[in-house]
Parts: sequence; C-alpha cells; structure tokens
Amino acid sequence: GAGVSQSPRYKVAKRGQDVALRCDPISGHVSLFWYQQALGQGPEFLTYFQNEAQLDKSGLPSDRFFAERPEGSVSTLKIQRTQQEDSAVYLCASTLDRNTEAFFGQGTRLTVV
Amino acid sequence: GENVEQHPSTLSVQEGDSAVIKCTYSDSASNYFPWYKQELGKRPQLIIDIRSNVGEKKDQRIAVTLNKTAKHFSLHITETQPEDSAVYFCAAVNPSNTGFQKLVFGTGTRLLVSP
Repeated sequence: GAGVSQSPRYKVAKRGQDVALRCDPISGHVSLFWYQQALGQGPEFLTYFQNEAQLDKSGLPSDRFFAERPEGSVSTLKIQRTQQEDSAVYLCASTLDRNTEAFFGQGTRLTVV
Repeated sequence: GENVEQHPSTLSVQEGDSAVIKCTYSDSASNYFPWYKQELGKRPQLIIDIRSNVGEKKDQRIAVTLNKTAKHFSLHITETQPEDSAVYFCAAVNPSNTGFQKLVFGTGTRLLVSP
C-alpha cells in the first residue's frame, strides 16, 4: 500500500475487555515497530519485529500485552483485560531495512472506560 | 538505556520569526537523530534527520545541528509559517546488535505560529 495502515482508528473498550489492534506495514518493509503514545507525551517503544521474528519486546508494559506478526507482514497488538492506564494512541511504524527511515501509521486511539 | 530530554514544551512565535527546539541525549553510542512533526490527530512524519558523523544539515527552512561532545542536538526553523504549527519530537537511535532502529523520543514541543 501507499503507507502504513492501522485499524481501527478509534477503539473504546470497557475495563477488562480484550482488544486487538492491527497494523499493515508498507509492502516489503522488513522491520515493524509498535509504540505507545500517552496524551501529551512522545511515543514509547513497545516491541519490534524483523520479518516474523519478534526480536525485542522489552517495552511491553505487562504480560497483558502480546504482539505477533506470523507471516512477516501484518501485525496485531493484543491487550488482554484492558485497564484505564492502557488508554493511549498505539502507533505502528515500519522500515525497509536497517538504519532507514521509519514510516508511521496514523495510530489507534484506545480509550478504556 | 537512552534518555532524551526536549525543551521547551511549548513555543509561540510570530509568523516570520525563527524557532529553535533543543534536545539532549544520554547514550554516547547513539548515532542517528531524526526529527518528527506531528499535527493534531495525525501520524508523526520525518522532517529532517542527522547522523553522528555530521555536525549540521539543512533543508530549505529547516536545519538541525548536532554536538556530539555535549550530547545535544537542535532543530532550527526559519521564516516560520502558520502551517509549521504542530508538535515536534526529537529522537535518538542507539542501534542494537541487530542493527534495527529503536527510536527513543523526547516529550515533544508544541509550536504555535501566529499570523
């Protein structure tokens, strides 16, 4: 596609509900990143994939967060038993290769009520 | 790990004035410093970047300077226009042994350019 696509754009979840956020990276991009952006803050790293391999998940805040990229293209970030503190914009970014520009999606705004 | 500090948090200027945003980083191994512009509700977009082997880079009205010794870098926007109004984020990259770019962002500067 023309850019990184994320869905849904907005998600309202009741506390305790599970959610799944989708990222379609730019076709052919090897690397895929997930970031969490709280209101008024900069994006914070969650996890990174190179193709289908999850090479770094050090930023995931708890074991309620899980990410996958089974075929090395589309990725899903799943949050189980959502809490209010999970409310944020979740950004996905992809890069063609190492040390190249990161292109961001428009993000999914998650609101937990 | 890397820590990036950014200031000011807000910056108001008149159209035509210059704007300067400053960032410091903690890890001397960081070697790539991009700047992103994020308009309200939109995705961050790269506007300029600099690598550690260069001290300054310019692209039309935008320039970035890097002082490796002091571990700080700055964004300079000249002849500001109302469409420059947005939140600007600096970032630093310390490549892991896999070579991938783990971006560590500053907290952002909200720039408001008044006509």
